[in-house]
Amino acid sequence: DIQMTQSPSSLSASVGDRVTITCRASQAISTYLNWYQQKPGKAPKLLIHAVSNLQSGVPSRFSGSGSGTNFTLIISGLQPEDFATYYCQQSYTTPMYTFGQGTKLEIK
Amino acid sequence: EVRLLDSGGDLVQPGGSLRLSCTASGFTFRMYAMNWVRQAPGKGLEWVSGISGSGSSTFYADSVKGRFVISRDNSKNTLYLQMKSLRAEDTAVYYCAKRLGGGGSGYDYFDDWGQGTLVTVSS
Repeated sequence: DIQMTQSPSSLSASVGDRVTITCRASQAISTYLNWYQQKPGKAPKLLIHAVSNLQSGVPSRFSGSGSGTNFTLIISGLQPEDFATYYCQQSYTTPMYTFGQGTKLEIK
Repeated sequence: EVRLLDSGGDLVQPGGSLRLSCTASGFTFRMYAMNWVRQAPGKGLEWVSGISGSGSSTFYADSVKGRFVISRDNSKNTLYLQMKSLRAEDTAVYYCAKRLGGGGSGYDYFDDWGQGTLVTVSS
């Protein structure tokens, strides 16, 4: 099974900050890496698919990069609505999937 | 507009059974593989099960294999998850999710999600 490890598990930041969240796969997953945002009491929302492709409607301050086993989600210029939990997901082993444990982004 | 409406969650005793439903609208349901993803209280996301658009292929996480059955009725635009031999560790919010991609497309992700339905396994 492919394990997905996110770091950090939690992060405090201020409005306007640039934030980086890392996701590492236990083996190479090519570009089958997606990012989701989840707010309390809500369903996850797709942000980025295939490493760097922004979902329609997602602000351009979100970006993704990486390949192989190491991937990064960057939020440039944090906005109040960005404080949430972020999950990476590998779909290399489709039709079975694994999520990272999540990174909770909190207001400093 | 795509809409996925999860329902069927309830309080059930350990060893009991429950059937969840996900009613879809706004897209051609039979054309898309669907999945169930769960989230235990205060925990992360766990993929549970998936089914092809036709319903002919099904897939399960090891944690639920042999206890849960995923199915779909394309005439009713509805996805199901039949759960039996429920355990305390199955307590979670269960989300249905529509899958986009696969088939050598180079991408594979869940682009739409239901609002979730809570299953509580407790005596």
